[in-house]
Amino acid sequence: SQQGEEDPQALSIQEGENATMNCSYKTSINNLQWYRQNSGRGLVHLILIRSNEREKHSGRLRVTLDTSKKSSSLLITASRAADTASYFCATENQGGKLIFGQGTELSVKP
Amino acid sequence: GAVVSQHPSWVICKSGTSVKIECRSLDFQATTMFWYRQFPKQSLMLMATSNEGSKATYEQGVEKDKFLINHASLTLSTLTVTSAHPEDSSFYICSARRTDSYNEQFFGPGTRLTVL
Repeated sequence: SQQGEEDPQALSIQEGENATMNCSYKTSINNLQWYRQNSGRGLVHLILIRSNEREKHSGRLRVTLDTSKKSSSLLITASRAADTASYFCATENQGGKLIFGQGTELSVKP
Repeated sequence: GAVVSQHPSWVICKSGTSVKIECRSLDFQATTMFWYRQFPKQSLMLMATSNEGSKATYEQGVEKDKFLINHASLTLSTLTVTSAHPEDSSFYICSARRTDSYNEQFFGPGTRLTVL
């Protein structure tokens, strides 16, 4: 399987704390994307980082990419209860296919 | 813009019947659409790549005769689960890639299939 791995599988934090999720992958990529999924719902695209970029910000989100280690991290700062969801990384290869990681289930307690 | 819809949002059917799921790009054209399957508490697994006007490309282990894909127009792809069985119960999600934006894929809201 070419699926990436994410850790932790589950993360539980208090509102206001930061949440960090990590993603590792195996093959060369065009870009890496992070998605959010609320239970039983579709995917929401959060952020895309290209293979030649190292860091990207969007609001409370900060994504890093280390292509030498084939890894990425997603940081959510000042978390809110509404951030509770599953978060997936997905790598896009040369053929344009998205390969999803296993996901991290984030629970933010008020 | 860039909205993708799926119909139906959920379906319950008897074992042995066939179910068709539609994926539409509402405000853009999509030469390529993708179909994913997601089992509970698991990640999305790519099933097939659907290209307008040509045959779909299936991922290893996905039966093309069981999961029929038709991409007859630039805004519509359909997935038909033939002779569905309980093990086919899953969340099916499509995505559409904009013709004018190579890297952007937009996801539909998913279809929950339950086979009794």
